[in-house]
Amino acid sequence: DGGITQSPKYLFRKEGQNVTLSCEQNLNHDAMYWYRQDPGQGLRLIYYSQIVNDFQKGDIAEGYSVSREKKESFPLTVTSAQKNPTAFYLCASRPQWPSGNTIYFGEGSWLTVV
Amino acid sequence: DQQVKQNSPSLSVQEGRISILNCDYTNSMFDYFLWYKKYPAEGPTFLISISSIKDKNEDGRFTVFLNKSAKHLSLHIVPSQPGDSAVYFCAASGSGSARQLTFGSGTQLTVLP
Repeated sequence: DGGITQSPKYLFRKEGQNVTLSCEQNLNHDAMYWYRQDPGQGLRLIYYSQIVNDFQKGDIAEGYSVSREKKESFPLTVTSAQKNPTAFYLCASRPQWPSGNTIYFGEGSWLTVV
Repeated sequence: DQQVKQNSPSLSVQEGRISILNCDYTNSMFDYFLWYKKYPAEGPTFLISISSIKDKNEDGRFTVFLNKSAKHLSLHIVPSQPGDSAVYFCAASGSGSARQLTFGSGTQLTVLP
């Protein structure tokens, strides 16, 4: 059953704590992405990775970090430096250009700071 | 600077009628456009796409139209069904190996029974 799995679905974080959101895909896609959605807004790109051991900052990378040690995995760490971390986080993947143009998403993770 | 704009935050349509969702873009380097459908607390689901070499793409009840000179695309849903009620995002991708998507802010479609 191929797809993108994000965990946990819901996560609560105390202020000052780092948390890591997991993203695993078994689609054999090369590129992976992290987006953030806030209420009433579109999806904004946090980080992306086109290949293992390489990743690039997106539009709103401050306060976040990622790693890409395996093709299947692209975890996102929300650090204490992120001033407003409460949001819905979406992981996505895509075959490497020119194999495909469509990005596919996981089910998302809700992060709430308490 | 929003490169992809969906100016209508919401749209209500009667069941069986046509739904038309609009999207405008400013970056002339965009050459691939997609529509996604999203339910609350779920990931977006890919609906339909169109390349800049085409002006129309159809898939069942869904048709996307692209007007490159106006930098405008639209999604038509015919006939609309209550299950189509969701947020619809327009997205655009440029050339190059990264090809990350730039999203609009979404339009909430409500299909009334």
